[in-house]
Amino acid sequence: GQQLNQSPQSMFIQEGEDVSMNCTSSSIFNTWLWYKQDPGEGPVLLIALYKAGELTSNGRLTAQFGITRKDSFLNISASIPSDVGIYFCAGRSGTASKLTFGTGTRLQVTL
Amino acid sequence: DGGITQSPKYLFRKEGQNVTLSCEQNLNHDAMYWYRQDPGQGLRLIYYSQIVNDFQKGDIAEGYSVSREKKESFPLTVTSAQKNPTAFYLCASRRERDRNYGYTFGSGTRLTVV
Repeated sequence: GQQLNQSPQSMFIQEGEDVSMNCTSSSIFNTWLWYKQDPGEGPVLLIALYKAGELTSNGRLTAQFGITRKDSFLNISASIPSDVGIYFCAGRSGTASKLTFGTGTRLQVTL
Repeated sequence: DGGITQSPKYLFRKEGQNVTLSCEQNLNHDAMYWYRQDPGQGLRLIYYSQIVNDFQKGDIAEGYSVSREKKESFPLTVTSAQKNPTAFYLCASRRERDRNYGYTFGSGTRLTVV
Protein backbone atom coordinates (compact mmCIF):
# COMPACT_ATOMS: atom_id res chain seq x y z
CA GLY A 1 0.00 0.00 0.00
CA GLN A 2 1.02 3.57 -0.58
CA GLN A 3 2.75 5.58 2.11
CA LEU A 4 3.46 9.25 1.97
CA ASN A 5 7.05 10.49 2.07
CA GLN A 6 7.79 12.88 4.89
CA SER A 7 10.95 14.88 5.34
CA PRO A 8 13.02 15.28 7.26
CA GLN A 9 12.87 11.95 9.10
CA SER A 10 14.12 13.60 12.28
CA MET A 11 15.07 17.05 13.50
CA PHE A 12 17.06 18.30 16.47
CA ILE A 13 16.42 21.97 17.14
CA GLN A 14 16.88 24.48 19.91
CA GLU A 15 14.02 25.96 21.85
CA GLY A 16 12.73 29.07 20.12
CA GLU A 17 13.64 27.98 16.60
CA ASP A 18 11.12 27.61 13.80
CA VAL A 19 10.51 24.19 12.23
CA SER A 20 9.42 23.18 8.74
CA MET A 21 8.49 19.75 7.48
CA ASN A 22 6.77 18.48 4.38
CA CYS A 23 4.92 15.53 2.96
CA THR A 24 4.77 14.40 -0.66
CA SER A 25 2.67 11.91 -2.57
CA SER A 26 2.77 10.37 -6.03
CA SER A 27 -0.99 10.75 -6.29
CA ILE A 28 -3.51 13.53 -5.68
CA PHE A 29 -5.29 13.93 -2.35
CA ASN A 30 -8.39 15.99 -1.60
CA THR A 31 -7.82 16.15 2.15
CA TRP A 32 -4.57 16.61 4.05
CA LEU A 33 -4.25 16.21 7.81
CA TRP A 34 -1.42 16.71 10.28
CA TYR A 35 -1.14 14.74 13.53
CA LYS A 36 1.23 14.78 16.50
CA GLN A 37 2.08 11.69 18.53
CA ASP A 38 3.56 11.84 22.02
CA PRO A 39 5.67 8.84 23.12
CA GLY A 40 3.53 5.80 23.90
CA GLU A 41 0.28 7.51 22.93
CA GLY A 42 -2.01 7.70 19.93
CA PRO A 43 -1.74 10.56 17.40
CA VAL A 44 -3.79 13.70 17.96
CA LEU A 45 -5.15 15.80 15.10
CA LEU A 46 -3.50 19.22 14.76
CA ILE A 47 -4.76 20.69 11.48
CA ALA A 48 -7.05 19.60 8.62
CA LEU A 49 -6.88 21.03 5.07
CA TYR A 50 -9.55 20.60 2.41
CA LYS A 51 -8.66 22.81 -0.56
CA ALA A 52 -5.59 23.22 -2.78
CA GLY A 53 -3.64 26.29 -1.70
CA GLU A 54 -5.39 26.47 1.68
CA LEU A 55 -3.31 27.87 4.53
CA THR A 56 -4.55 27.11 8.05
CA SER A 57 -3.14 28.00 11.46
CA ASN A 58 -3.60 26.50 14.92
CA GLY A 59 -1.67 28.60 17.43
CA ARG A 60 2.03 28.37 16.56
CA LEU A 61 1.32 25.77 13.87
CA THR A 62 0.63 26.62 10.24
CA ALA A 63 -0.07 24.08 7.50
CA GLN A 64 -0.59 24.43 3.78
CA PHE A 65 -2.31 22.26 1.18
CA GLY A 66 0.00 22.26 -1.87
CA ILE A 67 -1.27 23.67 -5.15
CA THR A 68 -0.51 20.42 -6.98
CA ARG A 69 -2.57 18.53 -4.34
CA LYS A 70 0.36 16.13 -4.04
CA ASP A 71 2.06 17.78 -1.10
CA SER A 72 1.54 19.55 2.19
CA PHE A 73 3.70 21.54 4.59
CA LEU A 74 3.71 22.10 8.35
CA ASN A 75 5.52 24.93 10.10
CA ILE A 76 5.97 25.34 13.85
CA SER A 77 7.09 28.74 15.06
CA ALA A 78 9.10 29.45 18.23
CA SER A 79 9.38 25.81 19.29
CA ILE A 80 9.01 24.83 22.95
CA PRO A 81 9.96 21.59 24.76
CA SER A 82 6.41 20.20 24.60
CA ASP A 83 6.60 20.21 20.79
CA VAL A 84 8.72 17.05 21.08
CA GLY A 85 7.10 14.07 19.39
CA ILE A 86 6.44 12.49 16.01
CA TYR A 87 4.51 14.49 13.43
CA PHE A 88 2.53 12.58 10.81
CA CYS A 89 0.87 13.79 7.67
CA ALA A 90 -2.14 11.90 6.31
CA GLY A 91 -4.07 12.16 3.08
CA ARG A 92 -7.40 11.07 1.70
CA SER A 93 -8.08 10.59 -1.99
CA GLY A 94 -11.42 10.53 -3.75
CA THR A 95 -14.21 9.14 -1.63
CA ALA A 96 -11.99 6.71 0.22
CA SER A 97 -12.95 5.99 3.82
CA LYS A 98 -9.38 5.41 4.88
CA LEU A 99 -6.42 7.71 5.34
CA THR A 100 -2.88 7.10 4.08
CA PHE A 101 -0.22 8.13 6.57
CA GLY A 102 3.28 9.46 6.12
CA THR A 103 6.39 7.92 7.62
CA GLY A 104 6.63 10.58 10.32
CA THR A 105 9.06 13.34 11.34
CA ARG A 106 10.57 12.95 14.80
CA LEU A 107 11.15 16.31 16.47
CA GLN A 108 13.55 16.81 19.39
CA VAL A 109 13.82 20.19 21.10
CA THR A 110 16.84 21.08 23.21
CA LEU A 111 16.91 23.85 25.79
CA ASP B 1 -16.34 12.08 28.46
CA GLY B 2 -16.46 10.37 25.07
CA GLY B 3 -13.40 8.60 23.79
CA ILE B 4 -11.80 5.52 22.36
CA THR B 5 -10.28 2.98 24.72
CA GLN B 6 -7.70 0.34 23.88
CA SER B 7 -6.76 -2.45 26.23
CA PRO B 8 -4.46 -3.73 27.45
CA LYS B 9 -1.73 -1.09 27.21
CA TYR B 10 0.99 -3.76 27.16
CA LEU B 11 0.60 -7.35 26.01
CA PHE B 12 3.07 -10.20 25.88
CA ARG B 13 2.50 -13.19 23.66
CA LYS B 14 4.28 -16.47 23.33
CA GLU B 15 5.07 -17.65 19.85
CA GLY B 16 2.23 -19.69 18.37
CA GLN B 17 -0.48 -18.05 20.47
CA ASN B 18 -3.40 -15.96 19.28
CA VAL B 19 -4.10 -12.75 21.18
CA THR B 20 -6.98 -10.29 20.97
CA LEU B 21 -6.61 -6.53 21.35
CA SER B 22 -9.66 -4.63 22.49
CA CYS B 23 -10.93 -1.34 21.04
CA GLU B 24 -14.11 0.33 22.36
CA GLN B 25 -15.50 3.77 21.52
CA ASN B 26 -18.42 5.73 22.96
CA LEU B 27 -18.29 8.53 20.39
CA ASN B 28 -21.09 7.06 18.26
CA HIS B 29 -18.61 6.90 15.39
CA ASP B 30 -19.51 4.78 12.37
CA ALA B 31 -16.10 3.76 11.08
CA MET B 32 -13.28 2.09 12.98
CA TYR B 33 -9.71 1.29 11.94
CA TRP B 34 -6.70 -0.72 13.09
CA TYR B 35 -3.16 0.47 12.33
CA ARG B 36 0.19 -1.05 13.07
CA GLN B 37 3.15 1.19 13.89
CA ASP B 38 6.79 0.09 13.57
CA PRO B 39 9.77 2.40 14.12
CA GLY B 40 10.50 4.46 11.03
CA GLN B 41 7.54 3.04 9.09
CA GLY B 42 4.67 5.26 10.08
CA LEU B 43 1.19 3.82 10.36
CA ARG B 44 0.06 0.93 8.19
CA LEU B 45 -3.59 -0.04 7.87
CA ILE B 46 -4.54 -3.57 8.94
CA TYR B 47 -8.36 -3.63 8.75
CA TYR B 48 -11.19 -1.14 8.77
CA SER B 49 -14.95 -1.22 9.18
CA GLN B 50 -17.43 1.40 8.02
CA ILE B 51 -20.57 -0.25 9.41
CA VAL B 52 -21.54 -3.04 11.78
CA ASN B 53 -21.05 -6.58 10.47
CA ASP B 54 -18.83 -5.39 7.62
CA PHE B 55 -15.08 -4.85 7.36
CA GLN B 56 -12.37 -4.60 4.72
CA LYS B 57 -8.73 -5.61 4.57
CA GLY B 58 -6.12 -2.91 4.67
CA ASP B 59 -2.58 -3.04 3.35
CA ILE B 60 -1.18 -5.60 5.82
CA ALA B 61 -4.15 -7.84 6.80
CA GLU B 62 -2.32 -11.18 6.60
CA GLY B 63 -2.12 -12.88 10.00
CA TYR B 64 -4.83 -10.68 11.54
CA SER B 65 -8.59 -11.00 11.94
CA VAL B 66 -11.34 -8.66 13.14
CA SER B 67 -15.04 -8.58 13.93
CA ARG B 68 -17.59 -5.77 14.15
CA GLU B 69 -20.63 -7.16 15.94
CA LYS B 70 -21.39 -3.88 17.71
CA LYS B 71 -20.93 -0.28 16.61
CA GLU B 72 -18.86 0.46 19.71
CA SER B 73 -16.41 -2.41 19.44
CA PHE B 74 -13.77 -3.50 16.90
CA PRO B 75 -11.46 -6.16 18.39
CA LEU B 76 -8.31 -7.25 16.55
CA THR B 77 -6.95 -10.79 16.82
CA VAL B 78 -3.28 -11.32 16.07
CA THR B 79 -3.02 -14.93 15.00
CA SER B 80 -0.07 -17.30 15.05
CA ALA B 81 0.13 -16.81 11.27
CA GLN B 82 1.46 -13.27 11.82
CA LYS B 83 5.21 -13.88 11.66
CA ASN B 84 6.40 -10.61 13.15
CA PRO B 85 3.68 -9.35 15.49
CA THR B 86 5.82 -7.24 17.84
CA ALA B 87 4.62 -3.67 17.25
CA PHE B 88 2.51 -0.80 18.57
CA TYR B 89 -1.14 -1.19 17.55
CA LEU B 90 -3.45 1.79 17.21
CA CYS B 91 -7.21 1.80 16.91
CA ALA B 92 -9.07 4.80 15.49
CA SER B 93 -12.62 5.86 14.73
CA ARG B 94 -14.49 8.58 12.84
CA ARG B 95 -18.05 9.69 12.08
CA GLU B 96 -18.73 9.15 8.39
CA ARG B 97 -20.73 12.35 7.98
CA ASP B 98 -18.13 14.65 9.53
CA ARG B 99 -16.55 17.16 7.17
CA ASN B 100 -13.53 17.07 9.45
CA TYR B 101 -12.05 13.84 8.24
CA GLY B 102 -9.70 13.37 11.16
CA TYR B 103 -9.68 10.14 13.08
CA THR B 104 -9.81 9.92 16.86
CA PHE B 105 -7.11 7.53 18.03
CA GLY B 106 -6.87 5.35 21.11
CA SER B 107 -3.72 5.36 23.21
CA GLY B 108 -2.43 2.13 21.68
CA THR B 109 -1.43 -1.39 22.71
CA ARG B 110 2.20 -2.46 22.63
CA LEU B 111 2.43 -6.15 21.76
CA THR B 112 5.65 -8.05 22.38
CA VAL B 113 6.35 -11.66 21.41
CA VAL B 114 8.43 -13.49 24.00
